[in-house]
Amino acid sequence: SAVISQKPSRDICQRGTSLTIQCQVDSQVTMMFWYRQQPGQSLTLIATANQGSEATYESGFVIDKFPISRPNLTFSTLTVSNMSPEDSSIYLCSVRLAGGYEQFFGPGTRLTVL
Amino acid sequence: AQSVTQLDSQVPVFEEAPVELRCNYSSSVSVYLFWYVQYPNQGLQLLLKYLSGSTLVKGINGFEAEFNKSQTSFHLRKPSVHISDTAEYFCAVLAGTALIFGKGTTLSVSS
Repeated sequence: SAVISQKPSRDICQRGTSLTIQCQVDSQVTMMFWYRQQPGQSLTLIATANQGSEATYESGFVIDKFPISRPNLTFSTLTVSNMSPEDSSIYLCSVRLAGGYEQFFGPGTRLTVL
Repeated sequence: AQSVTQLDSQVPVFEEAPVELRCNYSSSVSVYLFWYVQYPNQGLQLLLKYLSGSTLVKGINGFEAEFNKSQTSFHLRKPSVHISDTAEYFCAVLAGTALIFGKGTTLSVSS
C-alpha cells in the first residue's frame, strides 16, 4: 500500500480566490489522480497527473480552473482557481503503485467556499 | 465507456442480519472491479477487488463479493452485519487508467 498525505486538511476560502492542495506519497508511484467528492455525492475524476507533462483532464474539467502539477513521482498539487461556492467539495488525491490495479486514497481536503 | 451502477442508494438493516449491496457494471472488455468503504468523516478504504480467477472474492471485515459475468454484476455481501459497518460503500471499475465510481450505497445498521 501507500501512505498519502494531503495539505491542507480543510480550508474555508472566499469567492474569487484560489487554493492549492498538496499531495505527498511515501513511495514512488506510477499514477496519480485527483478526484472531487461533492457533499453527499460519489467521487468524480478530475484529472490524471502526469509527471513532467500536462495533466489529462476529464470531460467537464479544464486546466484554467484546475491546474495540476506533478514535478516528481511522489508529489502533486491541485489548484482550485477563481473559486465559487459550487467548488465546495472534498478533493482527494489517489495513487496506483507499479504492477497494481487498485488505487489508494489520501484523507482528502475539505474545501468550503463562501 | 465503462461504468458501474449501484442499484440502491440506501440500505437499512438490523444488526446481525445479512446484507447485499448491488452493483452492475457496463463493459465490453475485461473488467477489474472494486468495492471501497468510506466511514463517516474518513477516507476511502479498499474492501476487496476482482481482477481475474475465482469469481468469489473475499475482502476485509467479513465482506465478500461475487463476480457474475452473465449478469454483469458484482454484488457485495456480508452474512451478519455490525453497527460498525455503518458507512458509505462504493463500487468502482477500472476504466482506462483510473477508477470510475458508482453513486454509492449508504448502509445503516441499527440495533
